Amino acid sequence: AQSVTQLGSHVSVSEGALVLLRCNYSSSVPPYLFWYVQYPNQGLQLLLKYTSAATLVKGINGFEAEFKKSETSFHLTKPSAHMSDAAEYFCAVSDDGGTSYGKLTFGQGTILTVHP
Amino acid sequence: DAGVIQSPRHEVTEMGQEVTLRCKPISGHDYLFWYRQTMMRGLELLIYFNNNVPIDDSGMPEDRFSAKMPNASFSTLKIQPSEPRDSAVYFCASSLRGSTDTQYFGPGTRLTVL
Repeated sequence: AQSVTQLGSHVSVSEGALVLLRCNYSSSVPPYLFWYVQYPNQGLQLLLKYTSAATLVKGINGFEAEFKKSETSFHLTKPSAHMSDAAEYFCAVSDDGGTSYGKLTFGQGTILTVHP
Repeated sequence: DAGVIQSPRHEVTEMGQEVTLRCKPISGHDYLFWYRQTMMRGLELLIYFNNNVPIDDSGMPEDRFSAKMPNASFSTLKIQPSEPRDSAVYFCASSLRGSTDTQYFGPGTRLTVL
């Protein structure tokens, strides 16, 4: 079974500081990995995804994530936080990376707070 | 495209009443997913459809929950009878090619059962 662990339910940074949100996954097959962002009172939207191509994935709004198989990690980073980055971030793994069937299993989410 | 459309955005009902949540996926998307989000349990997949056919309903909590997709542009999630523990935000999402593809989420329906 697939699973995702997000380390830290809350992360607080200052504006302009590095953002690092941690995600570790468990998968019995090569995974498809995703980061989604949820702004208050909205649905989730995709930030970026890893689909077995380049291990460093660039997404929207200056975010990127690196797939490290040896560490089973897919941490999300952004060099300089902006106030508008304040949101909840979800890491997710696909149940079956080889076909179109399968489920997305989400982590518990990390709330990012950005201080002026 | 207008994106995934959900209605109503907010629903307040009393225990024992029937609740119907509605979803219109993005046109051309073959997959539709229903999720439930709570503080305690996070985001849970309830059921998903491929070409209007339910593929996996193992996340549906119990027989009080049912979901249908009568055509490619409409799906419902029904709770009958509703209970206070069903209070949550329910999201619908759609994608072109399944869960390895980008899922587009609707704005959600916030359900409160008194």
